[in-house]
Formats: sequence, structure tokens, C-alpha cells
Amino acid sequence: QKEVEQDPGPLSVPEGAIVSLNCTYSNSAFQYFMWYRQYSRKGPELLMYTYSSGNKEDGRFTAQVDKSSKYISLFIRDSQPSDSATYLCASNSGGYNKLIFGAGTRLAVHP
Amino acid sequence: GAVVSQHPSRVICKSGTSVKIECRSLDFQATTMFWYRQFPKQSLMLMATSNEGSKATYEQGVEKDKFLINHASLTLSTLTVTSAHPEDSSFYICSASMSESNQPQHFGDGTRLSIL
Repeated sequence: QKEVEQDPGPLSVPEGAIVSLNCTYSNSAFQYFMWYRQYSRKGPELLMYTYSSGNKEDGRFTAQVDKSSKYISLFIRDSQPSDSATYLCASNSGGYNKLIFGAGTRLAVHP
Repeated sequence: GAVVSQHPSRVICKSGTSVKIECRSLDFQATTMFWYRQFPKQSLMLMATSNEGSKATYEQGVEKDKFLINHASLTLSTLTVTSAHPEDSSFYICSASMSESNQPQHFGDGTRLSIL
């Protein structure tokens, strides 16, 4: 079992939809959680990062962590075609270093 | 803020050539830099962790003599792929973490390496 599991998709949604991206993790020691967005042929771009459980909101993006079920979510409201990318979740236990990445979910938002 | 620059973005070279990739943190000091490899439609695989002024820590299965890493300053780390072969063709990405603890990693835009 991989330490961080993520459905690779692809996920296709119409413009304006609410997108839900999810990951599960197996290591109960994980405390730091991140979401990165990666456009084709580019490096990952940090979207959100959180420590422990709870929600964090930034504009159209909301990150949610449920440590009891080891479940990580990223919600995108009012999705735009420019949101089309691969979204990577990542976790680790000892601060933000040495991240364990999920496989990435490819998202396509069509006009 | 938190900009990481990686150079070159694209390299095409003959088998047997050594290739050097640079990773720079432009507006912050990076105590730790990381090197990843990414195959098409796959996630990032950590190759090594590099701390300024000390030897890099390599992940299991990564050849130290093949992938030489130098982190001589708080803003620069280099990865040299020595005697590259076609199987080394991949997308190499670096990331950097600020000197303060518990800061997330920021990534460069990657280097696409093609060995003919």
C-alpha cells in the first residue's frame, strides 16, 4: 500500500463547477499536508498547506484534513479552464521536508 | 516570494555526456534543497535531499556516483548526471525549503533531459 493514495483521474468538469479532489494516507504520524498544482511540463506550484486537522480557505480553494479517517481534500469553487492541471497532494510527519506525494489527479475544466 | 529557478529547462545530448542542472532560490535562503525525478504521467520521486555545506542524502536505489549533488551555498544546488544514458532521460525537478523550520517546499520549473 502506498503511503499516499490519490485517484489519477482524469476528472472532467464544466466551467463553474465545484471540484472535489481527494487523497488518503496510511501513516498516522503524518501531520503536514500540502496541495500542489502542476501544469504540463512545469514544476509543481504550492496551492495550500496545513498542519493537523481542519479547514483552510484561500480564495476559490479550500483544503480540508480529517485525521480520524486519514482523508485529505481540496475543493475548487467556480472552476475555470485555467484550473486544468494535475493536482498533487503531499504529506509527511517531520515538518514540511521529505514529502510523500500522491500520484496526482488530472483535472480538465471545459468551457 | 519563494521563487526557485532551475536551469536549463531543456537538454538534449549524446549518450556518455555529463549534464549539470542548477537550482537557485532567488529570494530566500534555502537550507535544504531536494531533487526529484518524474516520468510521464507519474508522480514525483525523491532522489536526494541536499543540505548546504554537507553531503547529500540519497534515497534507496539512487546511485550516488551517477547523480552528483552539490549544495555549496544557501541559494544554489547542482545535480550532475554523469555519463548519461538513454534510460536517464526524464524530467528532473528541484525544490527548496526556507531556512526556518516547517516551511513548505517550493519547486523549480524542471529540466527535461533527453539522452540520444
